[in-house]
Amino acid sequence: AQSVTQPDIHITVSEGASLELRCNYSYGATPYLFWYVQSPGQGLQLLLKYFSGDTLVQGIKGFEAEFKRSQSSFNLRKPSVHWSDAAEYFCAVEDNDMRFGAGTRLTVKP
Amino acid sequence: EAQVTQNPRYLITVTGKKLTVTCSQNMNHEYMSWYRQDPGLGLRQIYYSMNVEVTDKGDVPEGYKVSRKEKRNFPLILESPSPNQTSLYFCASSLSLRSEQYFGPGTRLTVT
Repeated sequence: AQSVTQPDIHITVSEGASLELRCNYSYGATPYLFWYVQSPGQGLQLLLKYFSGDTLVQGIKGFEAEFKRSQSSFNLRKPSVHWSDAAEYFCAVEDNDMRFGAGTRLTVKP
Repeated sequence: EAQVTQNPRYLITVTGKKLTVTCSQNMNHEYMSWYRQDPGLGLRQIYYSMNVEVTDKGDVPEGYKVSRKEKRNFPLILESPSPNQTSLYFCASSLSLRSEQYFGPGTRLTVT
């Protein structure tokens, strides 16, 4: 069955440290890939997306993600985390329907 | 301002009492979708619509109905709500299935 897995339920990093959030998918072909962020009490906002081409994609708020076909992964990264990045992050995959991972909650320590 | 609106934002109701959550978008988007968000499960798609009068089931359609009579509106109907439908619901719209989805602010539903 098609699935999206975010292995880390909760991650805590210090402000200024680097961040990597993991996402793995299980689909037959290369799907369309997205990362969304949800701040407390808010809806979801698109950070970035990958459809084809360059496997390293840049998004808003200084985030980037790298698509690795061999690992079926689409991990989200940020070189230096800010306190305002504390939120829940969702990886999503589209392949005729849209599926979201369970989310990773990010806590930022001062 | 481009936006997706949902009403009500909060709703407490009792088992079996029919309710409708409205969703409206002002971006002329063709694709609209409803999700429910539950802790540890992320967002799960309930129903989606590719265009007016075209709707289809998502992952968890049981107990829900939708309609798409106009392009801008996509109401979610619970004919006989049950406690397991207590959840946070999001409506979203996009130009097409593979475009960025714009989410509404959410509707927190409690069924007692």
